Amino acid sequence: DGGITQSPKYLFRKEGQNVTLSCEQNLNHDAMYWYRQDPGQGLRLIYYSQIVNDFQKGDIAEGYSVSREKKESFPLTVTSAQKNPTAFYLCASSSDRGTQYFGPGTRLLVL
Amino acid sequence: GDSVTQMEGPVTLSEEAFLTINCTYTATGYPSLFWYVQYPGEGLQLLLKATKADDKGSNKGFEATYRKETTSFHLEKGSVQVSDSAVYFCAPMDSSYKLIFGSGTRLLVRP
Repeated sequence: DGGITQSPKYLFRKEGQNVTLSCEQNLNHDAMYWYRQDPGQGLRLIYYSQIVNDFQKGDIAEGYSVSREKKESFPLTVTSAQKNPTAFYLCASSSDRGTQYFGPGTRLLVL
Repeated sequence: GDSVTQMEGPVTLSEEAFLTINCTYTATGYPSLFWYVQYPGEGLQLLLKATKADDKGSNKGFEATYRKETTSFHLEKGSVQVSDSAVYFCAPMDSSYKLIFGSGTRLLVRP
Protein backbone atom coordinates (compact mmCIF):
# COMPACT_ATOMS: atom_id res chain seq x y z
CA ASP A 1 0.00 0.00 0.00
CA GLY A 2 1.37 3.40 -0.96
CA GLY A 3 1.07 6.19 1.50
CA ILE A 4 2.52 8.51 4.09
CA THR A 5 3.31 7.39 7.60
CA GLN A 6 4.00 9.58 10.60
CA SER A 7 5.30 8.48 13.95
CA PRO A 8 4.70 8.58 16.78
CA LYS A 9 0.99 9.34 16.96
CA TYR A 10 1.49 11.15 20.29
CA LEU A 11 4.72 12.71 21.54
CA PHE A 12 5.50 14.33 24.85
CA ARG A 13 8.20 16.94 25.25
CA LYS A 14 9.84 18.14 28.43
CA GLU A 15 11.11 21.67 28.92
CA GLY A 16 14.36 22.30 27.05
CA GLN A 17 14.16 19.07 25.10
CA ASN A 18 14.47 18.61 21.35
CA VAL A 19 12.11 16.06 19.81
CA THR A 20 11.99 14.62 16.31
CA LEU A 21 8.87 13.70 14.36
CA SER A 22 9.15 11.11 11.64
CA CYS A 23 7.57 11.29 8.17
CA GLU A 24 8.04 8.59 5.54
CA GLN A 25 6.42 8.19 2.13
CA ASN A 26 6.54 5.41 -0.45
CA LEU A 27 4.72 7.31 -3.19
CA ASN A 28 7.95 8.24 -4.98
CA HIS A 29 7.08 11.91 -4.51
CA ASP A 30 9.81 14.52 -4.87
CA ALA A 31 8.26 17.18 -2.65
CA MET A 32 7.50 16.93 1.07
CA TYR A 33 5.99 19.41 3.53
CA TRP A 34 5.51 19.99 7.24
CA TYR A 35 2.50 21.85 8.62
CA ARG A 36 1.40 22.88 12.07
CA GLN A 37 -2.28 22.95 13.09
CA ASP A 38 -3.52 24.61 16.26
CA PRO A 39 -7.00 23.86 17.68
CA GLY A 40 -9.77 25.28 15.52
CA GLN A 41 -7.27 26.67 13.05
CA GLY A 42 -6.07 25.97 9.56
CA LEU A 43 -2.65 24.68 8.60
CA ARG A 44 0.52 26.76 8.60
CA LEU A 45 3.58 25.75 6.60
CA ILE A 46 6.76 25.13 8.61
CA TYR A 47 9.24 23.78 6.05
CA TYR A 48 9.12 22.18 2.64
CA SER A 49 11.52 20.30 0.40
CA GLN A 50 11.18 19.93 -3.35
CA ILE A 51 14.21 17.69 -3.82
CA VAL A 52 16.65 15.62 -1.78
CA ASN A 53 19.28 17.63 0.12
CA ASP A 54 17.35 20.87 -0.31
CA PHE A 55 14.62 22.52 1.77
CA GLN A 56 13.08 25.95 2.33
CA LYS A 57 11.53 27.75 5.26
CA GLY A 58 7.80 28.16 5.30
CA ASP A 59 5.80 30.77 7.19
CA ILE A 60 6.64 29.65 10.74
CA ALA A 61 10.10 27.99 10.61
CA GLU A 62 11.51 29.52 13.80
CA GLY A 63 12.21 26.88 16.44
CA TYR A 64 12.10 24.01 13.95
CA SER A 65 14.67 22.21 11.81
CA VAL A 66 14.48 19.57 9.07
CA SER A 67 16.66 17.36 6.94
CA ARG A 68 16.11 15.64 3.60
CA GLU A 69 18.80 13.03 3.14
CA LYS A 70 16.54 10.51 1.43
CA LYS A 71 13.65 10.96 -0.97
CA GLU A 72 11.34 8.91 1.26
CA SER A 73 12.03 10.69 4.54
CA PHE A 74 11.60 14.23 5.88
CA PRO A 75 12.02 14.34 9.68
CA LEU A 76 11.09 17.46 11.65
CA THR A 77 12.88 18.45 14.85
CA VAL A 78 11.09 20.69 17.31
CA THR A 79 13.87 22.44 19.18
CA SER A 80 13.89 23.95 22.65
CA ALA A 81 13.73 27.36 20.95
CA GLN A 82 10.13 26.67 20.00
CA LYS A 83 8.36 28.08 23.05
CA ASN A 84 4.85 26.97 22.21
CA PRO A 85 5.20 23.57 20.52
CA THR A 86 1.88 22.04 21.55
CA ALA A 87 0.04 21.38 18.28
CA PHE A 88 -0.94 18.78 15.70
CA TYR A 89 1.81 18.29 13.12
CA LEU A 90 1.00 17.11 9.61
CA CYS A 91 3.36 15.90 6.92
CA ALA A 92 2.43 15.89 3.24
CA SER A 93 4.02 14.93 -0.05
CA SER A 94 3.39 15.63 -3.71
CA SER A 95 4.70 14.83 -7.14
CA ASP A 96 6.11 17.78 -9.05
CA ARG A 97 3.84 20.74 -8.23
CA GLY A 98 0.89 18.42 -7.93
CA THR A 99 -1.72 17.44 -5.39
CA GLN A 100 -0.51 17.18 -1.80
CA TYR A 101 -1.36 14.04 0.15
CA PHE A 102 -1.27 14.07 3.93
CA GLY A 103 -0.17 11.68 6.64
CA PRO A 104 -2.22 10.88 9.78
CA GLY A 105 -0.43 13.45 11.96
CA THR A 106 1.51 13.58 15.22
CA ARG A 107 0.11 15.32 18.28
CA LEU A 108 2.84 16.97 20.35
CA LEU A 109 2.18 17.78 23.98
CA VAL A 110 4.40 19.54 26.49
CA LEU A 111 4.85 18.04 29.96
CA GLY B 1 -0.77 38.10 -0.64
CA ASP B 2 -2.83 35.08 -1.63
CA SER B 3 -5.67 34.21 0.74
CA VAL B 4 -8.81 32.14 1.12
CA THR B 5 -12.08 32.90 2.89
CA GLN B 6 -14.51 30.23 4.01
CA MET B 7 -17.84 30.60 5.72
CA GLU B 8 -17.66 30.48 9.48
CA GLY B 9 -18.79 27.31 11.16
CA PRO B 10 -20.14 25.30 12.62
CA VAL B 11 -22.66 24.48 9.95
CA THR B 12 -25.35 22.28 11.47
CA LEU B 13 -27.68 20.31 9.20
CA SER B 14 -30.13 17.47 9.47
CA GLU B 15 -29.40 14.25 7.62
CA GLU B 16 -30.38 14.40 3.91
CA ALA B 17 -30.24 18.21 3.84
CA PHE B 18 -28.50 20.12 1.05
CA LEU B 19 -25.01 21.40 1.85
CA THR B 20 -23.20 24.48 0.59
CA ILE B 21 -19.90 25.67 2.03
CA ASN B 22 -18.76 28.91 0.45
CA CYS B 23 -15.14 29.50 -0.52
CA THR B 24 -13.63 32.54 -2.19
CA TYR B 25 -9.97 33.25 -2.78
CA THR B 26 -7.51 35.88 -3.92
CA ALA B 27 -4.53 34.68 -5.89
CA THR B 28 -2.23 35.59 -8.73
CA GLY B 29 -3.27 34.00 -11.99
CA TYR B 30 -5.47 30.93 -12.05
CA PRO B 31 -4.41 28.57 -9.30
CA SER B 32 -5.44 24.95 -8.88
CA LEU B 33 -8.14 24.64 -6.22
CA PHE B 34 -8.63 21.89 -3.67
CA TRP B 35 -11.11 20.78 -1.02
CA TYR B 36 -9.77 18.66 1.83
CA VAL B 37 -11.72 16.98 4.64
CA GLN B 38 -10.45 16.31 8.16
CA TYR B 39 -12.17 13.86 10.49
CA PRO B 40 -11.53 14.21 14.24
CA GLY B 41 -7.97 13.35 15.22
CA GLU B 42 -6.92 12.55 11.67
CA GLY B 43 -4.91 14.08 8.85
CA LEU B 44 -6.39 15.77 5.81
CA GLN B 45 -7.89 13.75 2.98
CA LEU B 46 -8.21 15.11 -0.53
CA LEU B 47 -11.91 15.42 -1.33
CA LEU B 48 -11.81 16.95 -4.80
CA LYS B 49 -9.90 19.37 -6.97
CA ALA B 50 -10.12 21.53 -10.10
CA THR B 51 -7.18 22.79 -12.10
CA LYS B 52 -8.70 25.29 -14.53
CA ALA B 53 -11.65 27.62 -14.95
CA ASP B 54 -15.08 25.96 -15.28
CA ASP B 55 -13.70 22.59 -14.19
CA LYS B 56 -15.99 20.68 -11.85
CA GLY B 57 -14.41 18.47 -9.24
CA SER B 58 -16.52 15.70 -7.74
CA ASN B 59 -16.16 12.83 -5.30
CA LYS B 60 -18.45 10.88 -2.93
CA GLY B 61 -21.44 13.06 -3.87
CA PHE B 62 -19.58 16.32 -3.26
CA GLU B 63 -19.07 18.81 -6.08
CA ALA B 64 -17.34 22.15 -6.59
CA THR B 65 -16.97 24.27 -9.74
CA TYR B 66 -14.01 26.56 -10.42
CA ARG B 67 -15.59 29.98 -11.05
CA LYS B 68 -12.93 32.31 -12.40
CA GLU B 69 -15.21 35.36 -12.67
CA THR B 70 -16.16 35.24 -8.99
CA THR B 71 -12.91 33.60 -7.73
CA SER B 72 -15.00 31.02 -5.92
CA PHE B 73 -15.00 27.26 -5.40
CA HIS B 74 -18.10 26.51 -3.33
CA LEU B 75 -18.56 22.95 -2.05
CA GLU B 76 -22.00 21.32 -2.44
CA LYS B 77 -23.65 18.02 -1.66
CA GLY B 78 -27.25 17.17 -2.36
CA SER B 79 -27.93 14.98 0.67
CA VAL B 80 -25.57 14.90 3.65
CA GLN B 81 -25.09 11.97 5.99
CA VAL B 82 -24.05 11.83 9.63
CA SER B 83 -20.73 10.39 8.45
CA ASP B 84 -20.01 13.65 6.57
CA SER B 85 -19.51 15.43 9.90
CA ALA B 86 -15.96 16.80 9.72
CA VAL B 87 -13.96 19.96 9.06
CA TYR B 88 -13.69 21.02 5.43
CA PHE B 89 -10.82 23.10 4.07
CA CYS B 90 -10.75 25.00 0.80
CA ALA B 91 -7.18 25.51 -0.39
CA PRO B 92 -5.95 27.31 -3.48
CA MET B 93 -2.41 26.65 -4.63
CA ASP B 94 -0.30 29.79 -4.92
CA SER B 95 2.17 30.67 -7.65
CA SER B 96 4.94 28.87 -5.69
CA TYR B 97 2.84 25.69 -5.67
CA LYS B 98 2.13 25.98 -1.96
CA LEU B 99 -1.36 25.47 -0.52
CA ILE B 100 -3.10 28.38 1.20
CA PHE B 101 -5.33 27.32 4.10
CA GLY B 102 -8.05 29.18 5.95
CA SER B 103 -9.55 28.11 9.26
CA GLY B 104 -11.83 25.51 7.72
CA THR B 105 -15.56 25.00 8.17
CA ARG B 106 -16.88 22.49 10.68
CA LEU B 107 -19.92 20.54 9.51
CA LEU B 108 -22.17 18.77 11.99
CA VAL B 109 -24.90 16.52 10.60
CA ARG B 110 -27.63 15.43 13.01
CA PRO B 111 -29.60 12.19 12.54
